[in-house]
Amino acid sequence: AQSVSQHNHHVILSEAASLELGCNYSYGGTVNLFWYVQYPGQHLQLLLKYFSGDPLVKGIKGFEAEFIKSKFSFNLRKPSVQWSDTAEYFCAVNARGNKIIFGKGTRLHILP
Amino acid sequence: DAMVIQNPRYQVTQFGKPVTLSCSQTLNHNVMYWYQQKSSQAPKLLFHYYDKDFNNEADTPDNFQSRRPNTSFCFLDIRSPGLGDAAMYLCATSPSGQFYEQYFGPGTRLTVT
Repeated sequence: AQSVSQHNHHVILSEAASLELGCNYSYGGTVNLFWYVQYPGQHLQLLLKYFSGDPLVKGIKGFEAEFIKSKFSFNLRKPSVQWSDTAEYFCAVNARGNKIIFGKGTRLHILP
Repeated sequence: DAMVIQNPRYQVTQFGKPVTLSCSQTLNHNVMYWYQQKSSQAPKLLFHYYDKDFNNEADTPDNFQSRRPNTSFCFLDIRSPGLGDAAMYLCATSPSGQFYEQYFGPGTRLTVT
């Protein structure tokens, strides 16, 4: 069965620090990969997605993610975080059909 | 703006008292989903509709039912809520096919007393 693992459950950083959130998935075939973000009190929204092509994907608000097929990974990065990046981040994978599987999420807290 | 709307945002019900949560969309998407999300957990898919075709997840309790009377609306019915059903319920939509992201509503937080 497909699964998604997010290594960090809770991350605390200071503003301007660099961010990398880990995500690994288990599925041997072709996958579509997503990162969603949920800001406090707001709905889940898409940060970025990978379907094919360039494995380095750029998203909104300066986020990017790199798909490394050999490592089954899709880590999220941002070179310099801001206080407004405080949110919960979910990695998700779609391997077939209309369904996606979410990871358990990483709660990111940025200190001003 | 095109969007996914959920009503109510907060719902309190009594143990065993049926409750219905609603979702509407202006995106005209074929697929609508219902997720249950508990604190510090991943959203868990309960079921989804592909047009009128209902797709239940194998581990979704029978206590949870859904209706989709038309493209725009989808309802989640909890026939006899238990304390363990207290959660955030998320509705999402997407165009058909695996190459599209899902668009989420703000969720309904259900409290069971």
